[in-house]
Amino acid sequence: NAGVTQTPKFQVLKTGQSMTLQCAQDMNHEYMSWYRQDPGMGLRLIHYSVGAGITDQGEVPNGYNVSRSTTEDFPLRLLSAAPSQTSVYFCASSYSGKGSSGEKLFFGSGTQLSVL
Amino acid sequence: DAKTTQPPSMDCAEGRAANLPCNHSTISGNEYVYWYRQIHSQGPQYIIHGLKNNETNEMASLIITEDRKSSTLILPHATLRDTAVYYCIVRDRNAGNNRKLIWGLGTSLAVNP
Repeated sequence: NAGVTQTPKFQVLKTGQSMTLQCAQDMNHEYMSWYRQDPGMGLRLIHYSVGAGITDQGEVPNGYNVSRSTTEDFPLRLLSAAPSQTSVYFCASSYSGKGSSGEKLFFGSGTQLSVL
Repeated sequence: DAKTTQPPSMDCAEGRAANLPCNHSTISGNEYVYWYRQIHSQGPQYIIHGLKNNETNEMASLIITEDRKSSTLILPHATLRDTAVYYCIVRDRNAGNNRKLIWGLGTSLAVNP
């Protein structure tokens, strides 16, 4: 059981380049999300999805796009990378049912992105 | 969701119990207390959660005060591999998703040999 898989682990971009961070989960979770983690700050939610075809913005969505065509995959797209997007990115998933059992988040191992 | 307050850092000797405190004085009756940890350069990992009763699993114990305004995560026999940042989070049981979770800076626990 692989859990949440993120690729790539490391990426260096030049300002203005585009790229897609991949995230896949094999636990049939309805809820998936993307976070960024910067030094001296807590995890901040970028975008999330409560099921295939449904996405919504989190706390810091600007500069990022997402789509959810399948339950398993939730890619994060940077259309025109900026130095301010240098960060570590984490994908997470969970059951989206109400109650305590639906709230346990499973995280991927992260993507370290540098934008020069 | 309510905000939590944790000490920025703690030390613990290997083999001893590590007791990590968390204040959540504005917690409401519908909010669970969750603990996660993040080992260096890895994704956060779920540890335990509870509502008002004390909880124990294979990783840790969670002690919640009777008024629910604070809690303590206990690692009974800390090892070097428990060195990590520990996050205490409260979450509304009826929220339906994790959109409103507030991740602070957590407590950086150093387990020393």
